[in-house]
Formats: sequence, structure tokens, C-alpha cells
Amino acid sequence: KAGVTQTPRYLIKTRGQQVTLSCSPISGHRSVSWYQQTPGQGLQFLFEYFSETQRNKGNFPGRFSGRQFSNSRSEMNVSTLELGDSALYLCASSMGTEDYGYTFGSGTRLTVV
Amino acid sequence: QKEVEQDPGPLSVPEGAIVSLNCTYSNSAFQYFMWYRQYSRKGPELLMYTYSSGNKEDGRFTAQVDKSSKYISLFIRDSQPSDSATYLCAGPRMDSSYKLIFGSGTRLLVRP
Repeated sequence: KAGVTQTPRYLIKTRGQQVTLSCSPISGHRSVSWYQQTPGQGLQFLFEYFSETQRNKGNFPGRFSGRQFSNSRSEMNVSTLELGDSALYLCASSMGTEDYGYTFGSGTRLTVV
Repeated sequence: QKEVEQDPGPLSVPEGAIVSLNCTYSNSAFQYFMWYRQYSRKGPELLMYTYSSGNKEDGRFTAQVDKSSKYISLFIRDSQPSDSATYLCAGPRMDSSYKLIFGSGTRLLVRP
């Protein structure tokens, strides 16, 4: 059974640019969550999508946005990149019910220069 | 104050030792807790979750929750070098079921 796939694995962008990250969940999983991981703040919740609807949102500025497609694949977008956006962005998928069987991908390492 | 606190370590132990990893939480609204293991350059991997106070065992791993003191622990018996990783505790709050709150993680090094 294929795991959660995140692309690309590594990305280098310049301040002010925008970036789109992609996440393909485990087949049959309808929920996709996004987290930002940094050495200083640890893992912080960005947002969660279920059946193409955003169900939860974390405390991040509006520059961070996401969406989910009908096949449950999800994308997150960060506009007007800042140096502080450099982080590992992790995607997790689950059935979306309260079983909390979250499976994480290996992440996208974003570096903003 | 963070909702879930965890000593960042690093914690260095010899192979075969019993390891104790701990977290405290401040909000009684947490429903239950999970332990994740994260190897370098990988995403977190779910190890165990516990719904209520008490112990839960899975092989060499035991998770313990004490809701009265808001304290959660993960014990690793007969630790192996392959257990060297960062261990993260996490939980969802009742008012925000689909959002996990993570501790900062404890880095564990098991020396051969």
C-alpha cells in the first residue's frame, strides 16, 4: 500500500516568490492535514481538509492557503515568501473519522533565500 | 506556555537501557495522546496512542497517561541503536478534533 507522497522533496525559493506543495494521500483516505516543522517552533498545524472542505485552520497568516481536490490530493500554497517560511512542510492523511490514524509523508523541505 | 511541553534532550543511553520519555500538558480538553517517532529526514511515524489513564503496551514500548497530573510517558525497554530518533507526543483537543498539538520532541540517542 503506497504511503503519503509529497512533492517536491526539496525546494529553494527567493523572498517574495510563491510556492505550491503537493500531497497525495493514502488511497481511501479523505482527510489531509498540513503541518509546518521548524527547529524553534516544532510541529505546528496549518490546516486540514476533508472532502474538499477546510475543516480546521491553524494560526498562520493568510499567505498560507490550501485546497483539496475530488481525488483527495491536496496542495498548499505560500505567497510572498519570507525567510521565516523556511521549514519542513509535512502532510498527513487519515480516513477523516475520529480514529486518528494519521500517516505522515516525508515532507517538503522549503528554503527561502 | 505551550500546551504540550516536552524536554528536547538530547537523551543519550547505552544499548539495552530502559528509556523514559515524558510530556506534560496544560489543558484538560485533550481527548487522548499519541507518540510519534521521527527519524532524520523523514516524517513522523505513529508508534502508539492511548485514550485514557493507565498503561498500554506494544512490544518493547509502553505508553502511560496520568490525567490527574497531566503527565504522559513512553517507556522503551531493551533500547536499540535503531531507536535513535526524535520522539514526539501529541494530542487532539476536544474543541478542535482534527488538529494535533505536538510537543517539541525529545531527541534520543542509543549508543551501541
